[in-house]
Amino acid sequence: AQSVTQLGSHVSVSEGALVLLRCNYSSSVPPYLFWYVQYPNQGLQLLLKYTSAATLVKGINGFEAEFKKSETSFHLTKPSAHMSDAAEYFCAVSDYTGNQFYFGTGTSLTVIP
Amino acid sequence: SQTIHQWPATLVQPVGSPLSLECTVEGTSNPNLYWYRQAAGRGLQLLFYSVGIGQISSEVPQNLSASRPQDRQFILSSKKLLLSDSGFYLCAWKGGVGEAFFGQGTRLTVV
Repeated sequence: AQSVTQLGSHVSVSEGALVLLRCNYSSSVPPYLFWYVQYPNQGLQLLLKYTSAATLVKGINGFEAEFKKSETSFHLTKPSAHMSDAAEYFCAVSDYTGNQFYFGTGTSLTVIP
Repeated sequence: SQTIHQWPATLVQPVGSPLSLECTVEGTSNPNLYWYRQAAGRGLQLLFYSVGIGQISSEVPQNLSASRPQDRQFILSSKKLLLSDSGFYLCAWKGGVGEAFFGQGTRLTVV
């Protein structure tokens, strides 16, 4: 079975500072990993995905994530936070069949001006 | 292109009343379909997923049920709502091993 753990339910950063949101996965088979963003009262929007190609994945809005098998991690980063980045971020995992798709509990990002 | 429709956007229902939330997908065939519930502070909980017509997998025992009467239609139901059923319900589809695409969600408040 697959699962993801997001460390830190709330993260605050200053505008212009580095954003680091943590995600660790648990999977008995090579996983596919995803990061989504959710703005209030909306559905989820895909930021980026890892599907066993390059381990460093670039996404939209300047975000990127690195798949590290040795650490079972897929942390999300952005060099410089913008006010518009304030939202809820979810890490998700799927197995090779693609049938099951599980999310972490989410990290709420606050950007301080 | 593919689109996903989920309705209604907001719903207020009394305890003990029935529920029916509908989700339809356009522009794709034989998608995997999912229902998630998002409760405050609990992230996204997978409730049901379906890999085909009439095929429903339940992830969490609860007061809800799901049905897939057509290839691109996924329905979430309850015969009698509980207060604990309140939350934000999201429908999603996947076309294989790639990412899931989400509807805009339904905010359900049980009073």
